[in-house]
Amino acid sequence: AQSVAQPEDQVNVAEGNPLTVKCTYSVSGNPYLFWYVQYPNRGLQFLLKYITGDNLVKGSYGFEAEFNKSQTSFHLKKPSALVSDSALYFCAVRDPRGGGYNKLIFGAGTRLAVHP
Amino acid sequence: DAGVTQSPTHLIKTRGQQVTLRCSPKSGHDTVSWYQQALGQGPQFIFQYYEEEERQRGNFPDRFSGHQFPNYSSELNVNALLLGDSALYLCASSEGLEGEQYFGPGTRLTVT
Repeated sequence: AQSVAQPEDQVNVAEGNPLTVKCTYSVSGNPYLFWYVQYPNRGLQFLLKYITGDNLVKGSYGFEAEFNKSQTSFHLKKPSALVSDSALYFCAVRDPRGGGYNKLIFGAGTRLAVHP
Repeated sequence: DAGVTQSPTHLIKTRGQQVTLRCSPKSGHDTVSWYQQALGQGPQFIFQYYEEEERQRGNFPDRFSGHQFPNYSSELNVNALLLGDSALYLCASSEGLEGEQYFGPGTRLTVT
C-alpha cells in the first residue's frame, strides 16, 4: 500500500539556522513527491515537487528537497530559517501508475517552529 | 485571477443532518478533488471529478457524494452527519486529471 511517513510531529529551529523536515514514502515504482505548507486557517500551498531528473529540487520561498531513492526519502530543507516559516508542513506522494488519476496521499504533517 | 474558492468558510451542523459544501476551481482548471483533514492529521482523499463524473474515490462511505457542474464547479454532500465528520474540507483543482493541484482555503465543518 502507498504511504507517507513524517516521523517528527514538531521540529524546532532557531532563526538563521538550517532546517530539515523529514519524509519517507512507500510506493511501488517511481513516485511523484510533493511538499505543501499550511498556515493557520488556510489551505495548502504548494512548495515543490519531484517527478524525475535531478535529485535536488528547488521550490518556493527558498525551500529545497532532496530525493533519495535508496532510502525512499524526500526531506525538505532550507539553508536559513525565518520566523515566518513557522507553519505545518505536509509531504505527499502520487502513484504515477494510478490510472492517470491525481490522488495525493499525505503524511500526518510536521509542525515547524522557528524561534527568534 | 481568482484561485480556488470554497464556501462557506465555517459551518456548524447537528448529528443526522445533511450538508453541502461548494467549490469553484481556479480559472482554466477542469478537475476538482475533495479532501478531508481531521484535526491533527493530513488530508485524506475523498473523490475526484472530471467531465462531471466521479473518476476516483477514496475510502469514504456512500454518505459522501458529490457533483460537478458544466462550469467545473463542484459540490460535496454529506448525509446523516456523524461527530467524526467534523473536519476541514479542502477542495483542490487542476488542469486535467494529472495536473498540479491547487488547494482552496477549506470549509471548517463542526458537527455537534
